[in-house]
Amino acid sequence: NAGVMQNPRHLVRRRGQEARLRCSPMKGHSHVYWYRQLPEEGLKFMVYLQKENIIDESGMPKERFSAEFPKEGPSILRIQQVVRGDSAAYFCASSGQGDTEAFFGQGTRLTVV
Amino acid sequence: KNEVEQSPQNLTAQEGEFITINCSYSVGISALHWLQQHPGGGIVSLFMLSSGKKKHGRLIATINIQEKHSSLHITASHPRDSAVYICAVTGVAGNQFYFGTGTSLTVIP
Repeated sequence: NAGVMQNPRHLVRRRGQEARLRCSPMKGHSHVYWYRQLPEEGLKFMVYLQKENIIDESGMPKERFSAEFPKEGPSILRIQQVVRGDSAAYFCASSGQGDTEAFFGQGTRLTVV
Repeated sequence: KNEVEQSPQNLTAQEGEFITINCSYSVGISALHWLQQHPGGGIVSLFMLSSGKKKHGRLIATINIQEKHSSLHITASHPRDSAVYICAVTGVAGNQFYFGTGTSLTVIP
């Protein structure tokens, strides 16, 4: 049973480009969480999704950021028109229905140049 | 004020020492997690606990629900234990994590 898979592991984007980060949850998991870790800071919650639903997006910046978890395929965190301040590690975690234990992916390190 | 506070922020120990990292939280929780993050690496979940104590090899985690406090202990520490240890709690609704800022541990041979 593969763990939570995130890709790419490293992503470099120029200012103004779009960044797409993918997260494939563990098999059987229907809940996905996205977190951001800014340099020298702790992890911060961004969004919680279930299949085809955004449950809690209270941690998402109001502009340029969006997330989805379609019926088929991975969850996508999309950042439009990236800026230098978006450079961070983005982690995804997944859990099963009714579980409070979550499993983390290896993260995607986004660098905006 | 953060919902989760960890101490110390940084910790340096000699190989073989007993290490304790503390975590206090201010919200109602359904579970507490101890996570490990190596430099440049991903995050590994070490423990999830909602009461009592758990042990895994040289690692021990305890939680006191009444005092809203947890500790992570490492016995006979080793340089490979060098990492950032993060305390996180799951809120009572079960749908959000609150994270401590982490404790950076360096174990010197």
